[in-house]
Amino acid sequence: SQQGEEDPQALSIQEGENATMNCSYKTSINNLQWYRQNSGRGLVHLILIRSNEREKHSGRLRVTLDTSKKSSSLLITASRAADTASYFCATDRAEYGNKLVFGAGTILRVKS
Amino acid sequence: EAQVTQNPRYLITVTGKKLTVTCSQNMNHEYMSWYRQDPGLGLRQIYYSMNVEVTDKGDVPEGYKVSRKEKRNFPLILESPSPNQTSLYFCASSLTYGGYNEQFFGPGTRLTVL
Repeated sequence: SQQGEEDPQALSIQEGENATMNCSYKTSINNLQWYRQNSGRGLVHLILIRSNEREKHSGRLRVTLDTSKKSSSLLITASRAADTASYFCATDRAEYGNKLVFGAGTILRVKS
Repeated sequence: EAQVTQNPRYLITVTGKKLTVTCSQNMNHEYMSWYRQDPGLGLRQIYYSMNVEVTDKGDVPEGYKVSRKEKRNFPLILESPSPNQTSLYFCASSLTYGGYNEQFFGPGTRLTVL
């Protein structure tokens, strides 16, 4: 079953600061994705990073993947109040038949 | 506009009264999935479908049924709802199965079973 793999569980920062969230997994993957969820709404895809990639950028988002450590991080630079949301990583692990499996998420609060 | 729609968005019902939550996507996606989200438990998959007439159980299928008669629709059926099925439900779709494609999520259905 899906288990929380994001770290920290919750993060509170001031507007303008950077926010870093981490995701760890146990077995090899082909792809890792990050999603954002605003309170009570559907998840929105942010970035997909493949196992042979080490870093990807999208606007203020930077995702890194370290397959040797089986971990990924999502960095949001110059955070805004509108970045307040839950952030989930999702992996396609062989132990789950390569289907996409979501972690429990990190709750980010950006104070203005 | 590419989207996944769900109806109803909110539903309050009573134990044992059969209900259906509809899900439809307009992106010609092969893969569709239902999740439930509960506080502290994250997103758990209920059922998924890799194509028309192909469905399979997810992690928490008990008490639910699905069907995939058309590519665009993937309804979730609760034959005899119970209070432990009170939850926030999401339908999602992607081009194909697996992690190679992003999943598009519907807006959610908040279900309360009394």
